[in-house]
Amino acid sequence: TQLLEQSPQFLSIQEGENLTVYCNSSSVFSSLQWYRQEPGEGPVLLVTVVTGGEVKKLKRLTFQFGDARKDSSLHITAAQPGDTGLYLCAGEAPNTGNQFYFGTGTSLTVIP
Amino acid sequence: NAGVMQNPRHLVRRRGQEARLRCSPMKGHSHVYWYRQLPEEGLKFMVYLQKENIIDESGMPKERFSAEFPKEGPSILRIQQVVRGDSAAYFCASSPAVGGVTEAFFGQGTRLTVV
Repeated sequence: TQLLEQSPQFLSIQEGENLTVYCNSSSVFSSLQWYRQEPGEGPVLLVTVVTGGEVKKLKRLTFQFGDARKDSSLHITAAQPGDTGLYLCAGEAPNTGNQFYFGTGTSLTVIP
Repeated sequence: NAGVMQNPRHLVRRRGQEARLRCSPMKGHSHVYWYRQLPEEGLKFMVYLQKENIIDESGMPKERFSAEFPKEGPSILRIQQVVRGDSAAYFCASSPAVGGVTEAFFGQGTRLTVV
């Protein structure tokens, strides 16, 4: 089992603050995806990172893949209430025929 | 291009009945994944299928649960003799065939309530 641990598990911040969510594993992944899930909906893919050390930006969201491709972080600048949701990382394990392993999730609440 | 379609969105079953959850993958996708989610929790892997093949069912209970992805038609997750503990949201995701980076896209889920 390729275990992905996310931290923190819960996060409540004021609008305008910055935050970082972490996704860590002892296993190497071919790629890593970040998803956001809102209540009552399915997860929506935000980004895929593939190369060790890769950084991708999506407006106020910055995603980084660790050099060893075992961990990743998501940084949100100037959080807004619309960022509220469950953030999930998922790693694609090599040599498993495209199997995905999901992290434990970070529940973010941005207070207006 | 329609996304992943799951139906029904909501399903209520009495204890002992059967629940059948359907998932139509995105066009051109031949891989399907089923996940289960309890409130305030992440996604728990259940089963990974390709057309007519079960690739990995390590996350699926050995009794009462089964899944298929036939050559034609949607993937089906079947839960026989449901119990209260089966109440959860069940999500399906699909991805294209092997090659390059694989990205999975999710449906909106089926919320099963066992009464």
